[in-house]
Amino acid sequence: GAGVSQSPSNKVTEKGKDVELRCDPISGHTALYWYRQSLGQGLEFLIYFQGNSAPDKSGLPSDRFSAERTGGSVSTLTIQRTQQEDSAVYLCASSLVSSLGQGKMETQYFGPGTRLLVL
Amino acid sequence: SQQGEEDPQALSIQEGENATMNCSYKTSINNLQWYRQNSGRGLVHLILIRSNEREKHSGRLRVTLDTSKKSSSLLITASRAADTASYFCATSERGSGNTGKLIFGQGTTLQVKP
Repeated sequence: GAGVSQSPSNKVTEKGKDVELRCDPISGHTALYWYRQSLGQGLEFLIYFQGNSAPDKSGLPSDRFSAERTGGSVSTLTIQRTQQEDSAVYLCASSLVSSLGQGKMETQYFGPGTRLLVL
Repeated sequence: SQQGEEDPQALSIQEGENATMNCSYKTSINNLQWYRQNSGRGLVHLILIRSNEREKHSGRLRVTLDTSKKSSSLLITASRAADTASYFCATSERGSGNTGKLIFGQGTTLQVKP
């Protein structure tokens, strides 16, 4: 079946402009995550959606970043007034959530990412 | 914040040799996962080990977990040129309000020379 898809693959924008990044999770996956990966670095958690629960926004670096997930499926990450330090690869992942004994166990499936360059 | 520390940062070996990568973390975890990333794009899930497990195998991969030392290792046996990639460990933290979000290490870049 289809995996996680993201669009656009690449985005070049000018400093100060707004950008929207899209993520289509795997059908039926209730959990959706956004991560950011700067050049040569590991992934940094941004935000998490699970069903109808309030999202975990603890990783968003500033109030210029926001995300929504409509209808429990597609998600959009919006960056307002982009800055050069926002340049990174933005990765989306989705998973099923299961609770087994000692806690949740989830394998997250990642999309190919959106490479954002802010000039 | 990034809690995973991986070493080495870079590893270069000959095809057929074994590659070992290590990961340390700081908090109590539900599970630890290893991912592979090619060309700085999407991550591929390799293996998940639960906090009550000590060792797990999948094909040429062997993962160990030592919760007393808060460390894990990934061993790739009989390496191939196609194994060239960056490898990341990621932990799912234990605790109330745990959303299952993953905390990633900085990664180990593996180069396998043919």
